[in-house]
Amino acid sequence: SQQGEEDPQALSIQEGENATMNCSYKTSINNLQWYRQNSGRGLVHLILIRSNEREKHSGRLRVTLDTSKKSSSLLITASRAADTASYFCATDLDSNYQLIWGAGTKLIIKP
Amino acid sequence: DGGITQSPKYLFRKEGQNVTLSCEQNLNHDAMYWYRQDPGQGLRLIYYSQIVNDFQKGDIAEGYSVSREKKESFPLTVTSAQKNPTAFYLCASGTGPLLGNSPLHFGNGTRLTVT
Repeated sequence: SQQGEEDPQALSIQEGENATMNCSYKTSINNLQWYRQNSGRGLVHLILIRSNEREKHSGRLRVTLDTSKKSSSLLITASRAADTASYFCATDLDSNYQLIWGAGTKLIIKP
Repeated sequence: DGGITQSPKYLFRKEGQNVTLSCEQNLNHDAMYWYRQDPGQGLRLIYYSQIVNDFQKGDIAEGYSVSREKKESFPLTVTSAQKNPTAFYLCASGTGPLLGNSPLHFGNGTRLTVT
């Protein structure tokens, strides 16, 4: 069963604009992670946010977590062509630390 | 540089043949994982290993086998019993033992095509 689901499935924006993608999940979690995957490559870890945290920043990335709504968002500010990739959230269940992955958001940055 | 190396990048096999995908890491990580990625889907866990000479089945282990004889190496064999083996295979490692509380490091994948 799918725990994390990203929204939207695809997003196309102009370079310089901000990109926001969301991840919803069904059951309580310990941690939520965001990863980036360039086409045909492996995944790269972006941010890990714990269930007792509400917001984390890393450079142009901002991740929020709302455990009451069981959702997280990833904001990329001032997007660049190099941000073109698929973005995945991965959650672990409260009682089981195994990661469960969403299907990803495909982000395209238009020059 | 530390990292995970998967080889080969592309692999083509005939139906009925077993094939082994290589995964080597020099990050000194105890835990290693194999995932399968199909178009439009999230990653699915095939096998994982938290320590040398020990490994556990993931959600979709049927038709696959692994070994963990060395800390650095975690090869995956796709057997002829796997009904739909064509996919993108990703190997990852982590400080472990719990998947959720530390980041995973991924290789660049092997794309297997079986005809």
